[in-house]
Amino acid sequence: EAGVAQSPRYKIIEKRQSVAFWCNPISGHATLYWYQQILGQGPKLLIQFQNNGVVDDSQLPKDRFSAERLKGVDSTLKIQPAKLEDSAVYLCASSFSLGGANVLTFGAGSRLTVL
Amino acid sequence: LAKTTQPISMDSYEGQEVNITCSHNNIATNDYITWYQQFPSQGPRFIIQGYKTKVTNEVASLFIPADRKSSTLSLPRVSLSDTAVYYCLVGDVDSSYKLIFGSGTRLLVRP
Repeated sequence: EAGVAQSPRYKIIEKRQSVAFWCNPISGHATLYWYQQILGQGPKLLIQFQNNGVVDDSQLPKDRFSAERLKGVDSTLKIQPAKLEDSAVYLCASSFSLGGANVLTFGAGSRLTVL
Repeated sequence: LAKTTQPISMDSYEGQEVNITCSHNNIATNDYITWYQQFPSQGPRFIIQGYKTKVTNEVASLFIPADRKSSTLSLPRVSLSDTAVYYCLVGDVDSSYKLIFGSGTRLLVRP
């Protein structure tokens, strides 16, 4: 079974520039998550999709972050404009459905450095 | 919102058994307990999941007491490659099924 694909793996940008990250979940997984992981901390949930609908985006800084999953499969997370504090690894995960019994499968992450 | 508490770090030696305990005092009736392992530059990886009593798979065991307010991940005979961060998660069915990671436990296995 193919895993969760993310790209790019690494991105370096200047502050105030924009960046986009792409995620392709495991085939058949209805739920998709974006997490932000700052060095030395646990992953922080940014947004959670069920098919193409948003289940939770309460931790997403909506003034600069946006995410979509238009066809209920792959997803894009965008940051515009980027700030220094956005430097982190952006992890995408997917699971078969909602619910605490579901197991998340993570991608390798996209490491963002904002200069 | 269920919240978990784990030790920040643990040290062990190769060949020893390691037990990492997680507290989740506010766990709800429908919540499961799931443990993930994360190596540097990788996403977290599922280790084991349970609801009550004991669960064992090829890599670990999970012990959950009757009150379910804590759980213990047991790694038998650790090796250097088990050096990683371990996260305990409690599924929160009352909050849009959000899966919230804590700070995790950094396990260092020494030769």
